[in-house]
Amino acid sequence: QQPVQSPQAVILREGEDAVINCSSSKALYSVHWYRQKHGEAPVFLMILLKGGEQKGHEKISASFNEKKQQSSLYLTASQLSYSGTYFCGTDINAGKSTFGDGTTLTVKP
Amino acid sequence: DAGVIQSPRHEVTEMGQEVTLRCKPISGHDYLFWYRQTMMRGLELLIYFNNNVPIDDSGMPEDRFSAKMPNASFSTLKIQPSEPRDSAVYFCASSTRRGGSPLHFGNGTRLTVT
Repeated sequence: QQPVQSPQAVILREGEDAVINCSSSKALYSVHWYRQKHGEAPVFLMILLKGGEQKGHEKISASFNEKKQQSSLYLTASQLSYSGTYFCGTDINAGKSTFGDGTTLTVKP
Repeated sequence: DAGVIQSPRHEVTEMGQEVTLRCKPISGHDYLFWYRQTMMRGLELLIYFNNNVPIDDSGMPEDRFSAKMPNASFSTLKIQPSEPRDSAVYFCASSTRRGGSPLHFGNGTRLTVT
């Protein structure tokens, strides 16, 4: 029931792009993405409710393919502040949210 | 909006002792979640409540763990007796879940059992 994230870790230089994937074995009601800095709580980035919907926030956007039960997070022109662990949370109904193992993103100058 | 408030921030206890973690959700949120985070197991959902009623406790590791939500503004997670393998960061999160609204996490309680 837990979603699967890939890759486990990414190392980038400032200005480079990255894609983080999240897939589920079950039909999804919604997918949401969070970023967690070391020693802090996860912070909400965005949520996707409909199949094929893409949402964006500055240089971070995401897509949700309901049919394939997959979501992807796109980080463009990465900044040092993007470093952290990214989690996807998946909901098979309106209540329960389970999280993937996370993808650690390191952006170097 | 003060956010989700958890206490204590850090707890160090000896094996066999009882531990109680506390959470105050955001006012108006009717869903409350308890998660445990470790390096090995990631973010695990332990239990969640809707309108103060436990809906799914299938993630609670064993009978040593119990959670209550006596009212809309307070929840506890209790471990009795505690064991070293319970050492982790425990997060509480709340949400309205309407329109797929996200989870708002507290700052977590770092539990160390020696």
